[in-house]
Amino acid sequence: QQQVKQSPQSLIVQKGGISIINCAYENTAFDYFPWYQQFPGKGPALLIAIRPDVSEKKEGRFTISFNKSAKQFSLHIMDSQPGDSATYFCAASKLNYGGSQGNLIFGKGTKLSVKP
Amino acid sequence: KAGVTQTPRYLIKTRGQQVTLSCSPISGHRSVSWYQQTPGQGLQFLFEYFSETQRNKGNFPGRFSGRQFSNSRSEMNVSTLELGDSALYLCASSFGLAGARSSYNEQFFGPGTRLTVL
Repeated sequence: QQQVKQSPQSLIVQKGGISIINCAYENTAFDYFPWYQQFPGKGPALLIAIRPDVSEKKEGRFTISFNKSAKQFSLHIMDSQPGDSATYFCAASKLNYGGSQGNLIFGKGTKLSVKP
Repeated sequence: KAGVTQTPRYLIKTRGQQVTLSCSPISGHRSVSWYQQTPGQGLQFLFEYFSETQRNKGNFPGRFSGRQFSNSRSEMNVSTLELGDSALYLCASSFGLAGARSSYNEQFFGPGTRLTVL
């Protein structure tokens, strides 16, 4: 049972455009939603994360929008650059439940290509 | 501050053999989680260790096991290797504090060990 569904599987965006990746989750107990960026041959790197008590969080060109009632969250990359070309993963976990902190449930990933 | 290190980076084994992978967390981190990454299944949680105790376990067979030492370094072992075990094995470390601010539980990943089973 896939608990975090991510779309699209791949995305091509022109330089300077906005990249949008969406995720939906099923378990209402999730209370921590990070996004990771992975380049080929590297481990995933944390980009930005959000808790369900806020609807939006922005860090530089990266913004997470969170809709608790719809159980959806999305990553927006503004002014996309060729250097942003990577695979992006959304994830979810339960921070406030004893023993669940280290268990991240990942989406399947979105391969982003930013064309110059 | 040094990041998460994993050794070896690449490994080739044959079916039926066993393998041990090592992970050294960021200094001060007490939680180490292991993940398997494959093109078909994506990133899947294997298990998490905190203060030498397994705190969480994913849905993998008993051939996959792990342990954590008093210095927080962790090892995972896969016995009786199968072709389907070929994957990138990632470890991630965090402070792992229950109910704490999310920044205390951010997981930082190592570069992974690429295991190929022939």
